[in-house]
Amino acid sequence: DSGVTQTPKHLITATGQRVTLRCSPRSGDLSVYWYQQSLDQGLQFLIQYYNGEERAKGNILERFSAQQFPDLHSELNLSSLELGDSALYFCASSGTASSGNTIYFGEGSWLTVV
Amino acid sequence: AQSVTQPDIHITVSEGASLELRCNYSYGATPYLFWYVQSPGQGLQLLLKYFSGDTLVQGIKGFEAEFKRSQSSFNLRKPSVHWSDAAEYFCAVVTVGTGRRALTFGSGTRLQVQP
Repeated sequence: DSGVTQTPKHLITATGQRVTLRCSPRSGDLSVYWYQQSLDQGLQFLIQYYNGEERAKGNILERFSAQQFPDLHSELNLSSLELGDSALYFCASSGTASSGNTIYFGEGSWLTVV
Repeated sequence: AQSVTQPDIHITVSEGASLELRCNYSYGATPYLFWYVQSPGQGLQLLLKYFSGDTLVQGIKGFEAEFKRSQSSFNLRKPSVHWSDAAEYFCAVVTVGTGRRALTFGSGTRLQVQP
């Protein structure tokens, strides 16, 4: 158990809909990351938040957005869903440099768009 | 920009045989390197990491990896593979800036273990 919790574990939704994925980082971790894993694209970094502020952006679509709340949990919002958005979405967290630059992953949220 | 190459998409070994999974990175500064394992339908589990110091690092489940700066490599090894090691293995490098740590992953190597 990595200590990173993601909900829901599985989600099936229709094209055009909007979903929210939730992540609770490990206790004390200030950074939260979102990754997308799909068969054709592999593991892609989407976005990073650090203590509530956006810190880095990767290959995140404009239809997707994220935020990190004062209690450090994070949400990834996916809107106007397309079939190609079907993927496994990982949340990860890490602490400060003094605690090492290790990034721990949750078990992921499986999104199926039909 | 940093990148990670895992040249072997798929490897099959016999149970009890030794294993080496290759990983090459491209990164200007000293890299922070990781190996993760993903079992079918599961999340990513950290096997081991290299930040600095001893270039041979030990991980969980009997895995080890050696950092070779001259070859820009961080190969994963295990002396005797067990059937439960069948999974997909990802090498990753992290870029470190002020609070910015984004992992770049290789494309993964799928390991099959024959009885």
